[in-house]
Amino acid sequence: DTEVTQTPKHLVMGMTNKKSLKCEQHMGHRAMYWYKQKAKKPPELMFVYSYEKLSINESVPSRFSPECPNSSLLNLHLHALQPEDSALYLCASSQVYGSGRATDTQYFGPGTRLTVL
Amino acid sequence: AQKVTQAQTEISVVEKEDVTLDCVYETRDTTYYLFWYKQPPSGELVFLIRRNSFDEQNEISGRYSWNFQKSTSSFNFTITASQVVDSAVYFCALSDYKLSFGAGTTVTVRA
Repeated sequence: DTEVTQTPKHLVMGMTNKKSLKCEQHMGHRAMYWYKQKAKKPPELMFVYSYEKLSINESVPSRFSPECPNSSLLNLHLHALQPEDSALYLCASSQVYGSGRATDTQYFGPGTRLTVL
Repeated sequence: AQKVTQAQTEISVVEKEDVTLDCVYETRDTTYYLFWYKQPPSGELVFLIRRNSFDEQNEISGRYSWNFQKSTSSFNFTITASQVVDSAVYFCALSDYKLSFGAGTTVTVRA
């Protein structure tokens, strides 16, 4: 089973709201990722967690706050977002993130379509 | 720096035609991995293939086939006898400290 689930599927929020995106996998993977994808562009990496520790932060603004409560769960807390943050947010997982290289296959969830008003 | 180029922005074909998607990459690594993903309109990226730089064998999976040529730094993808369900954006990606994605090729298969 190569399933990654994400909730909610759609989210509309105001610039003063606080919301969270959730991601879950039950494949025993120890690496999890958050990506942001704008229309007609490839996904852009935001964060990498390896063994529940933050390994990479791609200079993401602090209004995005990731959290990895356990090896199966990944959250993305959102606060004071801007309209330009509207995008598809994708979560992915892979067996490991080893030696600083993304060589393992990443399996992606269906994404959360976020609209910031 | 790692770089992936998918020169074809959009390809439109009629059902049952074959379609080939080009992927050219640049890397200084001697060991690397290449990937293809499919993104249908629903949004989810679907993994298609992962190839190690030492394995230059071509691969066939059903109507899909891949041609890896290290000499030309290319990893091309062919859909044989295309179907409407193949309509999607296809991304080629290269392993680095992250996945380096190409810009993607939008394939539209018309009935």
